[in-house]
Amino acid sequence: EVQLVESGGGLVQPGGSLRLSCAGSGFTLSSYEMNWVRQAPGKGLEWVSYISSRGTIIYYADSVKGRFTMSRDNAKNSLYLQMNSLRAEDTAIYYCARVKLDYDDSSGTGMDVWGKGTTVTVSS
Amino acid sequence: QSVLTQPPSASGTPGQRVTISCSGSSYNIGSNYVYWYQQLPGTAPKLLIYKNNQRPSGVPDRFSGSKSATSASLAISGLRSEDEADYYCAAWDDSLSAVLFGGGTKLTVL
Repeated sequence: EVQLVESGGGLVQPGGSLRLSCAGSGFTLSSYEMNWVRQAPGKGLEWVSYISSRGTIIYYADSVKGRFTMSRDNAKNSLYLQMNSLRAEDTAIYYCARVKLDYDDSSGTGMDVWGKGTTVTVSS
Repeated sequence: QSVLTQPPSASGTPGQRVTISCSGSSYNIGSNYVYWYQQLPGTAPKLLIYKNNQRPSGVPDRFSGSKSATSASLAISGLRSEDEADYYCAAWDDSLSAVLFGGGTKLTVL
C-alpha cells in the first residue's frame, strides 16, 4: 500500500525548534517531488515547501522562508522539515504530500498521496 | 489572504448541480494548470481534479473541472450527501515561485 506517515510534531515554545519527518512506503520516494502543506486550526490549506526528487531544487512559502528547511534522504525513503524560530502562527497540522508523476507538468502542484498529518502547537 | 479567490460557502440539495469558482491572475491560473482538492471532515485532502479537467482514477465523473483565462471552476453534478466537504483550488504562481491554494469552499448538502 502506498503510504506517507508524518512524525515529530508536538508542543514547543515560541522561538523553539522541531524537526518533522515523513516516511514513505509502498513506492520509491526518490522518484517523486514532494511538498509540505499545513493547516491551522479551523483554517484552509497553506503550502509550506517543495523539494525536487533529487533535492536540488527547494522552494518555500514567504511565511517560513529563512526559518524552515526542507530536506530528503532518498536512501531512507524519508523527507524532513526542520522548523526553527517557531511562532504561534506556525501552529497547524503538517502534511507531507507526494507530487503526482506527470511529465507534462513540472509545477509540483498535483499532490496524489497525502499523509495523515502531524500536529505542531507553538505555545508558552 | 489567499491569492486564489474562492467563495467561502456553497450549497445544494441532493441531485442538484453546484459549481465552485476559483479566481486568480495571469501569474497563476492564467499560465499554469489548476488542481482541485476535496477534504472531508477530519481527514487529509484528496486530489480531485488535476491539470484543469482530469480526474484521477476512482473519482466519479460527477466531478468535473474547467478553466478559462484566469479563472477555474469545479462542478459537481448529481449532488450526494457524501460530497459535503471543503474544496480547494490550487495552482503554481510564477511570480512567487510558490504553490497557491484558494481559501477553500465549504459545500453543504441540504
